[in-house]
Amino acid sequence: EAEVAQSPRYKITEKSQAVAFWCDPISGHATLYWYRQILGQGPELLVQFQDESVVDDSQLPKDRFSAERLKGVDSTLKIQPAELGDSAMYLCASSLRAANTEAFFGQGTRLTVV
Amino acid sequence: GQQVMQIPQYQHVQEGEDFTTYCNSSTTLSNIQWYKQRPGGHPVFLIQLVKSGEVKKQKRLTFQFGEAKKNSSLHITATQTTDVGTYFCAGPASSGYALNFGKGTSLLVTP
Repeated sequence: EAEVAQSPRYKITEKSQAVAFWCDPISGHATLYWYRQILGQGPELLVQFQDESVVDDSQLPKDRFSAERLKGVDSTLKIQPAELGDSAMYLCASSLRAANTEAFFGQGTRLTVV
Repeated sequence: GQQVMQIPQYQHVQEGEDFTTYCNSSTTLSNIQWYKQRPGGHPVFLIQLVKSGEVKKQKRLTFQFGEAKKNSSLHITATQTTDVGTYFCAGPASSGYALNFGKGTSLLVTP
């Protein structure tokens, strides 16, 4: 069964350092989401791609976060510099056609900033 | 932007009891989706509702979409310990692109 791949699974970094997460969506899925999930809360959308284009990044803290999906396939989310409050689970998801079809989630990257 | 609100935030039941979680939106939704996240896991899709007043069943789970397409519910009959987890509803943002999640209802089932 096709899955969304994410790496790394866990990341510990010191504050002010740079950190990057990678996501490979299910083949053929045009829509890719990056969500942040704080323990005990629902996933919060950071950025959404349709193919290689950003269609929603209204909740992305653009002073420190950046995301790209250069060839419309895999994607990278970067944080620079990391802050203590960035500690969370970062989930990548993909779907065939944006919000009208089911989203498939990866296992996530658990980030701890110390 | 559009938000979906869920209640209750937590529910603790004895095995065999029923459970219901509710989802409400301030705007009409084109569809609503439900996901389950087990402790330590990632959200997994359960179902999508599209039509006004739609009711769908999956074994002991019953999903409803309100007539006005602004609210939805998930009802579990005779809970089992395998039902433990957090249940999220998710709906399209006003842009129609983004999928916004509610804060979820965490279900704990004790034997």
